[in-house]
Amino acid sequence: KAGVTQTPRYLIKTRGQQVTLSCSPISGHRSVSWYQQTPGQGLQFLFEYFSETQRNKGNFPGRFSGRQFSNSRSEMNVSTLELGDSALYLCASSSLRGGGPGELFFGEGSRLTVL
Amino acid sequence: DQQVKQNSPSLSVQEGRISILNCDYTNSMFDYFLWYKKYPAEGPTFLISISSIKDKNEDGRFTVFLNKSAKHLSLHIVPSQPGDSAVYFCAASSDGNQAGTALIFGKGTTLSVSS
Repeated sequence: KAGVTQTPRYLIKTRGQQVTLSCSPISGHRSVSWYQQTPGQGLQFLFEYFSETQRNKGNFPGRFSGRQFSNSRSEMNVSTLELGDSALYLCASSSLRGGGPGELFFGEGSRLTVL
Repeated sequence: DQQVKQNSPSLSVQEGRISILNCDYTNSMFDYFLWYKKYPAEGPTFLISISSIKDKNEDGRFTVFLNKSAKHLSLHIVPSQPGDSAVYFCAASSDGNQAGTALIFGKGTTLSVSS
């Protein structure tokens, strides 16, 4: 079974630009969540989508947004990039079978560098 | 304020010995805890989890212990193998039987197992 696929793997942007990252979940998984990983803050939850609806959102500014399509693929967008947005952005999918938090399957991440 | 803390950034253990990774939390509403392992250039992979109604969960060489009164959990790896060398993240959720994908992660502990 194919894993979670994230594109692009690496990208470099300059301050003020915007960026869109893409995530294809494991086939059959309807939940997609996004995390930001930085050396100082570790892994921080951005948001979670289920059936094209945002169900949960972390404590990030409105510059960070996302969406999910009918095929469960998800995109996240960061507008007006700041230097502090440089991070590894991880996407995770879950089957959400109940009985407790679903096991998250993570992609390899998109490494964003803001210059 | 960090709700999930892994106070040891690194741990070195000899092959065959026990590895004990510790995690403390502050939010008494957390009802599910998970451990993830991360190799360089890969996304985190799920290792083991425990519900707050239990105090121990075992899966092969991996055992997680939960002490709710102390708000402390630990991951034991016995026997440790060189392939266990990775960053280990503790995570917690307060979503109960809902999505539970909005995990709160610790900053990780780097385990090095020498042969």
